[in-house]
Amino acid sequence: DTAVSQTPKYLVTQMGNDKSIKCEQNLGHDTMYWYKQDSKKFLKIMFSYNNKELIINETVPNRFSPKSPDKAHLNLHINSLELGDSAVYFCASSQEDRVAAFFGQGTRLTVV
Amino acid sequence: ILNVEQSPQSLHVQEGDSTNFTCSFPSSNFYALHWYRWETAKSPEALFVMTLNGDEKKKGRISATLNTKEGYSYLYIKGSQPEDSATYLCAPPGNKLVFGAGTILRVKS
Repeated sequence: DTAVSQTPKYLVTQMGNDKSIKCEQNLGHDTMYWYKQDSKKFLKIMFSYNNKELIINETVPNRFSPKSPDKAHLNLHINSLELGDSAVYFCASSQEDRVAAFFGQGTRLTVV
Repeated sequence: ILNVEQSPQSLHVQEGDSTNFTCSFPSSNFYALHWYRWETAKSPEALFVMTLNGDEKKKGRISATLNTKEGYSYLYIKGSQPEDSATYLCAPPGNKLVFGAGTILRVKS
């Protein structure tokens, strides 16, 4: 079984659309994260979330929002997609910060 | 969000060379330090989670040390192999897994 799974793996969409990327973990972890691999190939954190606290990187546009229906899921919603949103997005989970995080396989988003 | 510095930014070595790189972080409020290996077109994979000053951890040819008082961790690779080519990321303490820019390692055969 895949520990952290993201869907879809590839997403091509037009500017202005609203889309979601789903993330599920079956590890029982209490914290989940979303990262964006930017144009320089850096891994930039967007959000970290557990059932107590949502931490948002202030550089993330408010068109991006995390939605957590339950502890095992943290979905990423993106409104009014822009060309610059094209990137690979990674989801991850961990049990607090003292245990290694597991990453999903990434979602390559292409906005045309 | 705290700044993390990793050096060097990139490194090219020959197969068989040993190498090391550094992760520097503010030493206050230490909690845990993570090292990850990130191969091209794949997801980051955890190497080590270090929590105690003086910690030294080893996995095969790769090892890491931690100095929380001075705020740095070293990652060592002994006898580099082409399959070690990757970006090595660290995430310092209290940072909710905010990663440094990474060190890109390329091992030539």
